[in-house]
Amino acid sequence: GAGVSQSPSNKVTEKGKDVELRCDPISGHTALYWYRQRLGQGLEFLIYFQGNSAPDKSGLPSDRFSAERTGESVSTLTIQRTQQEDSAVYLCASSPHKAQPQHFGDGTRLSIL
Amino acid sequence: GIQVEQSPPDLILQEGANSTLRCNFSDSVNNLQWFHQNPWGQLINLFYIPSGTKQNGRLSATTVATERYSLLYISSSQTTDSGVYFCAAQSYNTDKLIFGTGTRLQVFP
Repeated sequence: GAGVSQSPSNKVTEKGKDVELRCDPISGHTALYWYRQRLGQGLEFLIYFQGNSAPDKSGLPSDRFSAERTGESVSTLTIQRTQQEDSAVYLCASSPHKAQPQHFGDGTRLSIL
Repeated sequence: GIQVEQSPPDLILQEGANSTLRCNFSDSVNNLQWFHQNPWGQLINLFYIPSGTKQNGRLSATTVATERYSLLYISSSQTTDSGVYFCAAQSYNTDKLIFGTGTRLQVFP
C-alpha cells in the first residue's frame, strides 16, 4: 500500500488477556519501529528492526512485550497478560533505512478493562 | 542517551498570527524530524531536517546542528494547524528516534 498500515485500529480487552497488534510497513522500507503513546504524552520507543539484523529491543518495558518481523515485511507486537497500564496508542513507523524519515501508521488504540 | 526538549509546551494563537516552536537536543544528530499530530491522533511528517533550512508552504524549519537546536516556523496560522507538534532526534550512536514532549498549539478563529 501507499502508507504504513496498522490493525486493528481499536482493541478493547480484559486484563490478563494476550493481544497481538499488526503493522504493514511501506513496501521497500527496511527499518521498522514500534512506539507507545500514553494519553497526553509523547512517543516512547519500544523496538526497532533493520533488515535481517538483530532487533533493538531496549525500549520494551517488560518481558510481557515481544515483537517479531518476517524479513522486511509485516511485524507483530504481542503483549501477554495485559495490565491496565498497557492502555495506550501503539504506533508503528517505517523508513527506507535507519536515520531516514520515518512514516507513521494511524496506530492501534488499546484499552484494557 | 540524547535528550530532546521542546518549548513552549502550550501555545494559543489567533488565526493569521505567526509562531516559532523550538527544539533543543543534547547530542549531535544524523536525523531530526518535525511531526504534527492532528486532533485525531494521526502523526504527519512535516520535515526531515538534520541540518539547514527547508520550506513547505506556510511552514519552514531550520536546524543549526552545531548549536543543537531546531526551529519550526508557522506563518499565517489557520485553525487546521491546531494539534501537537513533536520534534524527534536521533544521534549517531543509536538507532532510536527520541521524541520531545511536544508543543500543543491551539489556533482560534
